[in-house]
Amino acid sequence: KNEVEQSPQNLTAQEGEFITINCSYSVGISALHWLQQHPGGGIVSLFMLSSGKKKHGRLIATINIQEKHSSLHITASHPRDSAVYICAVRNNNNDMRFGAGTRLTVKP
Amino acid sequence: NAGVTQTPKFRILKIGQSMTLQCAQDMNHNYMYWYRQDPGMGLKLIYYSVGAGITDKGEVPNGYNVSRSTTEDFPLRLELAAPSQTSVYFCATDEGLGSYNSPLHFGNGTRLTVT
Repeated sequence: KNEVEQSPQNLTAQEGEFITINCSYSVGISALHWLQQHPGGGIVSLFMLSSGKKKHGRLIATINIQEKHSSLHITASHPRDSAVYICAVRNNNNDMRFGAGTRLTVKP
Repeated sequence: NAGVTQTPKFRILKIGQSMTLQCAQDMNHNYMYWYRQDPGMGLKLIYYSVGAGITDKGEVPNGYNVSRSTTEDFPLRLELAAPSQTSVYFCATDEGLGSYNSPLHFGNGTRLTVT
């Protein structure tokens, strides 16, 4: 079983919809990261959090340490949000473990 | 600042050939990593380095070698390319604080096909 599981694997939404991507992990962590990978391939860091909630523009990331679960929300989704979203955790050995990613397509 | 620069962007190799994937960073980060990304799988760590002159194996090191002679450069060497090494390779860096305050910075990736 992977240490980091994401759901759904694929998600298609209409422009303007509210989107939620989920991440569950099975190890102790010091931080959780949400990454975005655009069709061109580059990966950028969106959020890094170890508790609570963070917001950046239309993106919100939450984490529940007790439940070992995090969610990434996108409000008022737009076609330019189409990308693969990757959840990653830094475990207590300082190793990064990555989910397989959620492929989001937002249709106009 | 360029951040993390990877070259080449694409490469096709024949089985048994060798090549070096280049990675350079201008952020003065001590920690550098090489990952491979396969379809439907999370990124897997090949090798990492915590500073010049220090390297260590990750989860999937077989078939690869690295060196770290300077803080800026962390090349990945494939000696005898095999079809199983067909993948997208990412170089990444972070400050190496090992905790909350250290986001990863990625290069744009190298897409390698071995036929």
